[in-house]
Amino acid sequence: DAGVIQSPRHEVTEMGQEVTLRCKPISGHNSLFWYRQTMMRGLELLIYFNNNVPIDDSGMPEDRFSAKMPNASFSTLKIQPSEPRDSAVYFCASSFRGRHGTSSYEQYFGPGTRLTVT
Amino acid sequence: TQLLEQSPQFLSIQEGENLTVYCNSSSVFSSLQWYRQEPGEGPVLLVTVVTGGEVKKLKRLTFQFGDARKDSSLHITAAQPGDTGLYLCAGVVGVTSGSRLTFGEGTQLTVNP
Repeated sequence: DAGVIQSPRHEVTEMGQEVTLRCKPISGHNSLFWYRQTMMRGLELLIYFNNNVPIDDSGMPEDRFSAKMPNASFSTLKIQPSEPRDSAVYFCASSFRGRHGTSSYEQYFGPGTRLTVT
Repeated sequence: TQLLEQSPQFLSIQEGENLTVYCNSSSVFSSLQWYRQEPGEGPVLLVTVVTGGEVKKLKRLTFQFGDARKDSSLHITAAQPGDTGLYLCAGVVGVTSGSRLTFGEGTQLTVNP
């Protein structure tokens, strides 16, 4: 079975450019998470969706970041304009969350997108 | 302030040695998970512990959840080079559909042949 798919795997861009990261969650999963990982701050949750609806975006650093989930099989994370401090590895993860007591919150991560902003 | 504190942050040992990694918090978790991440890949779930005092074993790895569900430990027996990686603990606060995982900063383990 295919796991979480992310594209691109690597992205190098110049400061000020728009960057779009893509994610395809595991089929049947109804929750999707976007994380950012850096050496300094570790793994940080940016935003997560439940049934395509954004539930918590408190981790989105600023208005330059936006995320969408137009359907159950696709999500994007956009940075516009990008800055050097946005350089990090961005992970997408998915899980299945049922009603109370029917979910273990186990998350399945994609391989990540390594973003470098020069 | 980090909700989950992991220690040590870095650990370099020789093949065959035993080690323990700790994950501590002042918060109570409804469940706690351990992940391992290898270079260039995303974290992979190793285990989920739910009950206070619970102990789970996965081959040479032993996971324990504290009685008060505020802390956890991972013990590796006879470490091998293949155990090298970043070990992350992650806790769930609450059981509603809006609950989320909070990750610790991780322990970078290197096992030298």
